[in-house]
Amino acid sequence: GAVVSQHPSWVICKSGTSVKIECRSLDFQATTMFWYRQFPKQSLMLMATSNEGSKATYEQGVEKDKFLINHASLTLSTLTVTSAHPEDSSFYICSARGLGDEQFFGPGTRLTVL
Amino acid sequence: TQLLEQSPQFLSIQEGENLTVYCNSLSVFSSLQWYRQEPGEGPVLLVTVVTGGEVKKLKRLTFQFGDARKDSSLHITAAQPGDTGLYLCAGDSGTYKYIFGTGTRLKVLA
Repeated sequence: GAVVSQHPSWVICKSGTSVKIECRSLDFQATTMFWYRQFPKQSLMLMATSNEGSKATYEQGVEKDKFLINHASLTLSTLTVTSAHPEDSSFYICSARGLGDEQFFGPGTRLTVL
Repeated sequence: TQLLEQSPQFLSIQEGENLTVYCNSLSVFSSLQWYRQEPGEGPVLLVTVVTGGEVKKLKRLTFQFGDARKDSSLHITAAQPGDTGLYLCAGDSGTYKYIFGTGTRLKVLA
């Protein structure tokens, strides 16, 4: 099956710093990738849709200047959490849409902001 | 905003019991998926249903999509400890953007 990786798998940073999370589709090309965040014991909340070669589409209530998304190639999307604060601590998960319109999820990145 | 409500929210059962998880919405979905997620990992796709009234079976798991494509159910027969996890439904309204349900946390006791 299709494989999606995320890097790093976990990160701890100080308040005010920026953190970049990578999402890669390893064996297929993905024109569309999605970014979700998940708080403990809760469901996944869609943050934005990342389209290769164009601007990301953000869901209502998600600050685009806070969560910068870049989809520079058909296999890589990045999410940068700028000026991170403790309330940004969460589990961030990406998914990539394959040719069959199914989406394949990455293993997630746990961000802890001190 | 589309909303997918799952019930029950939590479920703790003994090994060998049967259970059903429900996923309900006021919106119509072109397709609906069910996932299982373990702590610290991404969700793993179990099944995709696309046709109203469709029933799919995956070993001890039976999935049904409502006739009106607004609701779905997941039935597990003879649950095992390995079935423990967070079960999530996710609906696509036709834009290939999936909205996730509120989740059902299942614990199967040996």
